[in-house]
Amino acid sequence: QSALTQPRSVSGSPGQSVTISCTGTSSDVGGYNYVSWYQLHPGKAPKFMIYDVSKRPSGVPDRFSGTKFGNTASLTISGLQAEDEADYYCCSYAGSYTYVFGTGTKVTVL
Amino acid sequence: QVQLQESGPGLVKPSQTLSLTCTVSGGSTRSGSYYWSWIRQPAGKGLEWIGRIFTSGITNYNPSLKSRVTISVDTSMNQFSLKMSSVTAADTAVYYCASSYLSWDAFDIWGQGTMVTVSS
Repeated sequence: QSALTQPRSVSGSPGQSVTISCTGTSSDVGGYNYVSWYQLHPGKAPKFMIYDVSKRPSGVPDRFSGTKFGNTASLTISGLQAEDEADYYCCSYAGSYTYVFGTGTKVTVL
Repeated sequence: QVQLQESGPGLVKPSQTLSLTCTVSGGSTRSGSYYWSWIRQPAGKGLEWIGRIFTSGITNYNPSLKSRVTISVDTSMNQFSLKMSSVTAADTAVYYCASSYLSWDAFDIWGQGTMVTVSS
């Protein structure tokens, strides 16, 4: 099980859109529709943002959306806001009742 | 709404066993609707799934850690626990407990995390 590959950082100005990619293999991201995304702010409990590739839990703004094509999943943040500045991690089911996280992406709001 | 709180020693000596507990409030570890997981993050590194347990006691573990990890649940105390044996400095990390309810293949509620340092 290798960590899923994410860009180290992405940035955008307030109001812009940014997209974070999450690349795995056919044994994880490509093989199942069980990709989730998490937002981490320092010192706070991680927040659950997206599950089952594109579903948004109650309370998560619709500015956050998820997609998947082949072995790559993506999280798009539209209308970027200052409070979106955080680390983001993807996670995928990897078969045999195991899970693998991505390498993490720092989102900077310019 | 479920809330989770990790507790346990912040310092563990190399070769010893790390033991952490997650106390559940607002929900029940007896419920057949939840999986209970442990996840960690070494300083400056990414998240790593350690393993999970269902109410029935069924467990699933990260293959890379399976030989050293045991996750158990105490329904009478509404807690679940992590034990990791033969720890080394590489096990130094923030350890999170998390629940899976909305989707059993995601982690919807997380604790604040607890820092564990492995050092003599």
